[in-house]
Amino acid sequence: QSALTQPPSVSGSPGQSVTISCTGTSSDVGYYNRVSWYQQSPGTAPKLMIFEVNNRPSGVPDRFSGSKSGNTASLTISGLQAEDEADYYCSSHTTSGTYVFGTGAKVTVL
Amino acid sequence: EVQLVESGGALIQPGGSLRLSCAASGFIFRNYYMHWVRQAPGKGPVWVSDINGDGSGTNYADSVKGRFTISRDNAKNTLYLQMNGLRAEDSAVYHCARGRYAYAVDSWGQGALVTVSS
Repeated sequence: QSALTQPPSVSGSPGQSVTISCTGTSSDVGYYNRVSWYQQSPGTAPKLMIFEVNNRPSGVPDRFSGSKSGNTASLTISGLQAEDEADYYCSSHTTSGTYVFGTGAKVTVL
Repeated sequence: EVQLVESGGALIQPGGSLRLSCAASGFIFRNYYMHWVRQAPGKGPVWVSDINGDGSGTNYADSVKGRFTISRDNAKNTLYLQMNGLRAEDSAVYHCARGRYAYAVDSWGQGALVTVSS
């Protein structure tokens, strides 16, 4: 199972919006709405930000949103803040009953 | 508060075996899928395995299938990962994690370091 493809880095100024793409195949991202997104800061465990493509767990700010089209899912951070600087990983359940994570995208707040 | 505490990490020679444990607290353990996810230093997370609430169903990544076995003891609120035939590429921090919201993970332990080297 190959990792989902994400851009290595994304950057934006405070207040701007940034979008991170996550490209898989018809056997994972494209098949189910079972895509989740995680934020990871250095030295900490990943934090769930989005589940089932576009749902936020309690406590996650509504400036984080998700979407999907075909085999590509996206995470958008609106109104970028300094505290959003971190690594972001997508993940998808697959038709084999396994999970696959993305290659990761580093978000830099300029 | 959900707590997941891994133990059992070690330096082990290639071909060796190791069992990781994860002690869970703060939630009704038997009601949740549980996962093992590993992360090599400086790399992204890689899903390893999961198990359903009563332990009757398991799944594995192709890279560990046939070598690793996930299990749980709901009476002890503990998750396990038996790792056999270890390879250098298995070196990583192994996190146990709780499944939530269908097909996502909402809580992670801090991890157990496994280093496979001669």
